[in-house]
Amino acid sequence: EAGVAQSPRYKIIEKRQSVAFWCNPISGHATLYWYQQILGQGPKLLIQFQNNGVVDDSQLPKDRFSAERLKGVDSTLKIQPAKLEDSAVYLCASSSRGLSDSYNEQFFGPGTRLTVL
Amino acid sequence: KNQVEQSPQSLIILEGKNCTLQCNYTVSPFSNLRWYKQDTGRGPVSLTIMTFSENTKSNGRYTATLDADTKQSSLHITASQLSDSASYICVVSSGGGSAGKSTFGDGTTLTVKP
Repeated sequence: EAGVAQSPRYKIIEKRQSVAFWCNPISGHATLYWYQQILGQGPKLLIQFQNNGVVDDSQLPKDRFSAERLKGVDSTLKIQPAKLEDSAVYLCASSSRGLSDSYNEQFFGPGTRLTVL
Repeated sequence: KNQVEQSPQSLIILEGKNCTLQCNYTVSPFSNLRWYKQDTGRGPVSLTIMTFSENTKSNGRYTATLDADTKQSSLHITASQLSDSASYICVVSSGGGSAGKSTFGDGTTLTVKP
């Protein structure tokens, strides 16, 4: 079974520029998550999708971050304009969690390391 | 507010030695607790999952314990290997189904030296 795919793996941009990340979850996984992981910290949830609907985006800085999951499969996360403090690893995860599954195992992609100069 | 605290923040041990990592949580209602291993430059990978009724679970040289009364968990690594060098993240989930939420700790960075 193929894992969660993310691209690009690395990105360096200057502040105020825009950037987009792509994620393809494990086939058949209905739930998709985007996390921001700052060096030395645990992942922080940015947004959670169930199929193509948003379940939780309470910690997404909506003035600069946006995400979509058209057709309920792959997803893109965009930052526009980027700030220095956005430098982090952006992780995508997916799970097969349905309404009756409370075990929540999330399968993570390798992440995209973003550096904002 | 749900919180997960891990200690120590970092740890250095010699190859072959044992070590124990700690996780304290205040998450309600409790559903399950997972330990993830995150190698440098990779995404986290699940090591163990424990529910309320389980107090010990092993996965090879990794043994997790859970005390639901004191809301503490530990991850014990036996006979450490160089490949155990990684960050270990404790994740506690609440609720269930689409309403469930996961709270991540900041991880313990383990370095195993030859």
